[in-house]
Amino acid sequence: GAVVSQHPSRVICKSGTSVKIECRSLDFQATTMFWYRQFPKQSLMLMATSNEGSKATYEQGVEKDKFLINHASLTLSTLTVTSAHPEDSSFYICSAGNYGYTFGSGTRLTVV
Amino acid sequence: AQSVTQLDSQVPVFEEAPVELRCNYSSSVSVYLFWYVQYPNQGLQLLLKYLSGSTLVESINGFEAEFNKSQTSFHLRKPSVHISDTAEYFCAVRGYNNNDMRFGAGTRLTVKP
Repeated sequence: GAVVSQHPSRVICKSGTSVKIECRSLDFQATTMFWYRQFPKQSLMLMATSNEGSKATYEQGVEKDKFLINHASLTLSTLTVTSAHPEDSSFYICSAGNYGYTFGSGTRLTVV
Repeated sequence: AQSVTQLDSQVPVFEEAPVELRCNYSSSVSVYLFWYVQYPNQGLQLLLKYLSGSTLVESINGFEAEFNKSQTSFHLRKPSVHISDTAEYFCAVRGYNNNDMRFGAGTRLTVKP
């Protein structure tokens, strides 16, 4: 079955630095991947849709310059949190695959 | 756009008792429906899905859900729960004609001995 790998699983960074999160489709090609954010004890909120070879589509309220998305190949999408602040601390998770329902294992970002 | 309502934020139940986690959706188009389980500090695991065909879908660990179009529901059921079923459960919906998935707020299932 479809497998989505996400890396790193946990990252701690200093305020003001940038962090890159990778989402890979391991056994299939994904022209579209999705990035979600989950706050503690809350549901997942779609942040953006990553499109291979073109610009990502961001949901309303998500800062494009803050959350940079690159989908340069059919198996890799990256989310870069730029100039991270403590309020960016969250659980970030990607999905891909037919119907977009296969999720990665998530990345716990802590900004100190 | 689609939306999902999970009616119960928390469901406590005793081991070996039956359980139902409720999910209702809203959409102007036909939908795909999903249930996910999330254990603490982990990602989402797909529990079961309805894409087409039989409205009753089952998972390998005893859960089942039935798509009811007239009631716009996709409730999750298990006839006898185990301690290990304690987790957060999310219902999700995606429309036929778009790519993004919308999640409910989640239901915390706690199975007590």
